[in-house]
Amino acid sequence: QSVLTQPRSVSGSPGQSVTISCTGTSSNVGAYNYVSWYEQHPGKAPKLIIYDVTKRPSGIPDRFSGSKSGNTASLTISDLQAEDEADYSCASYAGNYIYVFGAGTKVTVL
Amino acid sequence: QVQLVESGGDVVQPGRSLRLSCAASEFSIRSYGLHWVRQAPGKGLEWMAMISYDGSNKQFAESLKGRVTISRDNYENKLFLQMNSLRPDDTALYYCARARDYDAFDLWGQGTMVIVSS
Repeated sequence: QSVLTQPRSVSGSPGQSVTISCTGTSSNVGAYNYVSWYEQHPGKAPKLIIYDVTKRPSGIPDRFSGSKSGNTASLTISDLQAEDEADYSCASYAGNYIYVFGAGTKVTVL
Repeated sequence: QVQLVESGGDVVQPGRSLRLSCAASEFSIRSYGLHWVRQAPGKGLEWMAMISYDGSNKQFAESLKGRVTISRDNYENKLFLQMNSLRPDDTALYYCARARDYDAFDLWGQGTMVIVSS
């Protein structure tokens, strides 16, 4: 059972926005601004899309944005596109060089 | 190209040991912390272990302490994971990942599959 809680699935039509939540505790998500998000297509390795809660690595479209409030972080995908259909996982630093992940959320583009 | 390539995955019997390797290409690992993360079939990512850039700091998921060790060879540009007393629930795809800093994993390998079965 994963430490961080994510919805199992979300869906949206092309052009719409979807938001994925990632709920932890005051020992991980709430304690550090070190939440990251990963996109994973079937059979592929995870790819970093958000780090430090809100920052995007070079090459990641600004349709992807992150935020955090208390113990819950969120990933929003705006202007949803067919290629965004994938699994999205959150991760958080939990102190003392320990990291925790969520179970992942499947995004379906209708 | 800049990449990580895992190897060593296999089908092993319960109770046996296995050593996984992760080779870096087109960059030197000596400046980076490194992690192992696994993913059981149909399940989410599970962080397993990390080692600091110089090997002086290591940390493990609580559930794995005592069964796994992590090491690195900065001269050979490789990361290792030694797993002992393997169990069926260790069946997973094992990824190595580079630490961006303390905050994220910015480069992943393609994974190596470990199947624990009698």
